[in-house]
Amino acid sequence: AQTVTQSQPEMSVQEAETVTLSCTYDTSESNYYLFWYKQPPSRQMILVIRQEAYKQQNATENRFSVNFQKAAKSFSLKISDSQLGDTAMYFCASFTSGTYKYIFGTGTRLKVLA
Amino acid sequence: KAGVTQTPRYLIKTRGQQVTLSCSPISGHRSVSWYQQTPGQGLQFLFEYFSETQRNKGNFPGRFSGRQFSNSRSEMNVSTLELGDSALYLCASSLEGTSVISGELFFGEGSRLTVL
Repeated sequence: AQTVTQSQPEMSVQEAETVTLSCTYDTSESNYYLFWYKQPPSRQMILVIRQEAYKQQNATENRFSVNFQKAAKSFSLKISDSQLGDTAMYFCASFTSGTYKYIFGTGTRLKVLA
Repeated sequence: KAGVTQTPRYLIKTRGQQVTLSCSPISGHRSVSWYQQTPGQGLQFLFEYFSETQRNKGNFPGRFSGRQFSNSRSEMNVSTLELGDSALYLCASSLEGTSVISGELFFGEGSRLTVL
């Protein structure tokens, strides 16, 4: 069975500092994608970053980057130069194109402190 | 381009009643999926539709059902509501097709259901 585990329910970071959110997953599929989504308080969930499993290079999007360790089935999100607007719930997710199924983790609530 | 629209945004029901939630995807998106979000449980996958066909289904009881119309709009229905059905129900659309598999979901703001 596919699973996604986020072991940090809550985290906080000082503005301008760097924080890393952890995620591990398990899948028997060979073709899958991994995502981090952000859900700001009372606002819509949006995509932060996406990683294709067949790509070895870690994805980056401005201040957001991932550390994708395929063998360890680990997919962490690093936020550099944290901003107050980064305060949100962050969800790690896997998507398998063969089954069109998304599996989400339980989320990490991140608070950026001024 | 309009985003994913979910209606109603908030609703209160009592146990035993039924509820229907609606979702209009982004124009051109043919895949619509539904999720139940509760504190501590994250997002639980309910089902996914593509071109009016359910392609996948999560582990929810038969009280939860859905459908998709020819214009890609989708509805989900929960019958015989229970207290534990109180949650935020999120709909997401994606640009999936035979040649496009991005996996990116575009979410609506959700329908918050309270069961008393």
